[in-house]
Amino acid sequence: DTEVTQTPKHLVMGMTNKKSLKCEQHMGHRAMYWYKQKAKKPPELMFVYSYEKLSINESVPSRFSPECPNSSLLNLHLHALQPEDSALYLCASSHRTGGSNEKLFFGSGTQLSVL
Amino acid sequence: GQQVMQIPQYQHVQEGEDFTTYCNSSTTLSNIQWYKQRPGGHPVFLIQLVKSGEVKKQKRLTFQFGEAKKNSSLHITATQTTDVGTYFCAGPDAGANNLFFGTGTRLTVIP
Repeated sequence: DTEVTQTPKHLVMGMTNKKSLKCEQHMGHRAMYWYKQKAKKPPELMFVYSYEKLSINESVPSRFSPECPNSSLLNLHLHALQPEDSALYLCASSHRTGGSNEKLFFGSGTQLSVL
Repeated sequence: GQQVMQIPQYQHVQEGEDFTTYCNSSTTLSNIQWYKQRPGGHPVFLIQLVKSGEVKKQKRLTFQFGEAKKNSSLHITATQTTDVGTYFCAGPDAGANNLFFGTGTRLTVIP
């Protein structure tokens, strides 16, 4: 049971589409993350927001655009994706600053397929 | 970036047998975390180890952090079908303040 809620659970989009993934947590956490996970691989960090400011961008292509409207919400805007971007996109949160010693709470993920 | 390797990559065990996965880092880690991801699920935090030589137990699960803080292990005693999933260790990325996941060990338990 997760307290990090992600929508939608599944998404199929074409390469010319624009879509958004949404993530919400009400645990009072101040750090939120986007991870990408390909099948049978570990999660790979994409972005970290700490106190609503982007603190880490792991050289992610500009077709992925994160947004943190407030400390409870995190969005990932998608535009002109490629088929190789198909993956499970996981949102996570942690208590404070997004440091490496903080426990991560993951959402159930959005399974994205790009056609 | 950080390279955290786990072995084995896959493990099939008969229910009731023990299971161990090992996590090895090329650099000293300030802490290490373990996560479990069930098939079709998301990673769930199991434990964090911080001290050199630390050992922590959770029921049938025993976690160890090496003396040099470069390796860790997870041992499951008398596996059950509910233990099925992929176990990831995660540690700080070298030179960065974010968590880096190891390659994972996928456990299958045969009833």
